[in-house]
Amino acid sequence: EAQVTQNPRYLITVTGKKLTVTCSQNMNHEYMSWYRQDPGLGLRQIYYSMNVEVTDKGDVPEGYKVSRKEKRNFPLILESPSPNQTSLYFCASSSRLAGGSYNEQFFGPGTRLTVL
Amino acid sequence: AQSVTQLGSHVSVSEGALVLLRCNYSSSVPPYLFWYVQYPNQGLQLLLKYTSAATLVKGINGFEAEFKKSETSFHLTKPSAHMSDAAEYFCAVSRGQGGKLIFGQGTELSVKP
Repeated sequence: EAQVTQNPRYLITVTGKKLTVTCSQNMNHEYMSWYRQDPGLGLRQIYYSMNVEVTDKGDVPEGYKVSRKEKRNFPLILESPSPNQTSLYFCASSSRLAGGSYNEQFFGPGTRLTVL
Repeated sequence: AQSVTQLGSHVSVSEGALVLLRCNYSSSVPPYLFWYVQYPNQGLQLLLKYTSAATLVKGINGFEAEFKKSETSFHLTKPSAHMSDAAEYFCAVSRGQGGKLIFGQGTELSVKP
């Protein structure tokens, strides 16, 4: 089954304790992205990657890191989490179309993070 | 810069009634437009997309949307609401290339029996 998976689905942690949220897709997609969802704000892009070893900042990158060493994986790293990073996080992926544009994005099930 | 505005954070309809969720966009280039649905405790699922072909786009679960360039709108409609349509709906815009999606703030749809 074609899918985007995230782990963990739920995480409660404390301020300053480094954590990683994993994201994996099995569709051989070039493009991967992380979003955070907050009430009244919709989804905002944190980081994205157009291919292996190619990453760039989205709209709200502060406090986050990413890496893209393999095409299927795109982990999100919080080196020193703070309470304002309490949110619902989504990973997404899409394929590149002929001509250079991208297809629609497929989303993972989400990771609900609470930072105390 | 691109942006999306969804009018109404909460919409409530009766079962069988028309569903109308409003979305207006701002884009300096021809946009790609999307509607996603989010059921409780789930990720986002694509309902439909506009990519400069037909202006009336049909999606899954009986939903459709019409791209109106003169009004910069992409409203989502369904003729008859079902209880299972209760969810949060997001409108999004991208420039096609680059893949980045700009989301609206979402509209929560409630369906009353």
